[in-house]
Amino acid sequence: EVQLVESGGGLVQPGGSLRLSCAASGFVFSSYEMSWVRQAAGKGLEWISHISTGGGTIHYADSVKGRFTISRDNAKNSLYLQMDSLRAEDTAVYYCAASRRFDYWGQGTLVTVSS
Amino acid sequence: QSALTQPASVSGSPGQSITISCTGTSSDVGGYNYVSWYQQHPGKAPKLMIYDVSNRPSGVSNRFSGSKSGNTASLTISGLQPEDEADYHCRSYTTGSTWVFGGGTKLTVL
Repeated sequence: EVQLVESGGGLVQPGGSLRLSCAASGFVFSSYEMSWVRQAAGKGLEWISHISTGGGTIHYADSVKGRFTISRDNAKNSLYLQMDSLRAEDTAVYYCAASRRFDYWGQGTLVTVSS
Repeated sequence: QSALTQPASVSGSPGQSITISCTGTSSDVGGYNYVSWYQQHPGKAPKLMIYDVSNRPSGVSNRFSGSKSGNTASLTISGLQPEDEADYHCRSYTTGSTWVFGGGTKLTVL
């Protein structure tokens, strides 16, 4: 069974940092492109970053470029999102998604940026 | 990276058909056949329903179909069922090798 489990969310003050993790199982993680997608309460989905299978190609949405860093460890079947200089508008549920088609999704982890 | 445009809400009665539109530009929807649709029930993760404009993943009902004309993609659900009530999100590949979602559409089954 395919599983993606996000962790690392929580409450952080504006300007702070968090590192999200996404643990994958049930599929060959190293063969799948991965992405992070977020959703603010009551809002639509927002794609924020993508990483290729080997990690050599990375893209970011303008809203997080320069503040967020995506990475992966294929040996640990894990995806990461380092989030720095957090703002109130970064408050959202963060999902990891697998494949170019976003076939598989985790259940999400809530990040709240507030003083 | 402007969001694609979807109607905020649509509704239909059981057994009817509805169509949700997703309008972008020639830099996203109109430029690539990489439009996907996702169904999301409250408090749940999105689920892939249509990929590459009109393809259904294994296990998705054939009541769901997708199409595209110019800069507008569409999701049609035929034979509406109560369990179809959910939010639906479109997504497209864009120039610059990024992805963009629509604002989401709430489907109500009356």
